[in-house]
Amino acid sequence: GAGVSQSPRYKVAKRGQDVALRCDPISGHVSLFWYQQALGQGPEFLTYFQNEAQLDKSGLPSDRFFAERPEGSVSTLKIQRTQQEDSAVYLCASSPGRASGAETQYFGPGTRLLVL
Amino acid sequence: AQSVTQPDIHITVSEGASLELRCNYSYGATPYLFWYVQSPGQGLQLLLKYFSGDTLVQGIKGFEAEFKRSQSSFNLRKPSVHWSDAAEYFCAVPSFRGSTLGRLYFGRGTQLTVWP
Repeated sequence: GAGVSQSPRYKVAKRGQDVALRCDPISGHVSLFWYQQALGQGPEFLTYFQNEAQLDKSGLPSDRFFAERPEGSVSTLKIQRTQQEDSAVYLCASSPGRASGAETQYFGPGTRLLVL
Repeated sequence: AQSVTQPDIHITVSEGASLELRCNYSYGATPYLFWYVQSPGQGLQLLLKYFSGDTLVQGIKGFEAEFKRSQSSFNLRKPSVHWSDAAEYFCAVPSFRGSTLGRLYFGRGTQLTVWP
């Protein structure tokens, strides 16, 4: 079946512009995660949804970052007034979210954001 | 809080040689552990996971990993490396939200180069 998809794959923004990154999770997956991966680093957690509820946004670096998942499926990560330090790969992952303790996160290909 | 350490930033091996990538974790209880691989420009692909039971776990692409509680380690191994294994490898440990898995904590990754 289809995996996690993200769009756009690449985004170049001028400093100060707003950007919106989209994630389409695997159909039926309850849990959705956003991570930020800076060059040469491991992914860092940004935020987590269970269905439409944002249960954890402790990783969002500033109030310029905002995420939503209004219908419990597609999610959008929005970055307002982009800064150069926002340049990174943004990864989306989904998991079934069953209360089995055994679910795995499946990752999309990422969106590479470059802020000039 | 959970944490993961990958001591080797970069490893180079010859094709056909054996491989071991190190991962040490910090966790208060018996952890769940993951190894992911990331090829250039791609998202993260799950290689294998440890949840419980047999401490030697088999994964895809001929990889295996051994959980050693006494050493807080979950090292990834492959007996004979192929040129296509060149990629970045990440070890990860999840948090828990009730009985479901939450965010992943990643190590900084190990870049594998394979010489022909």
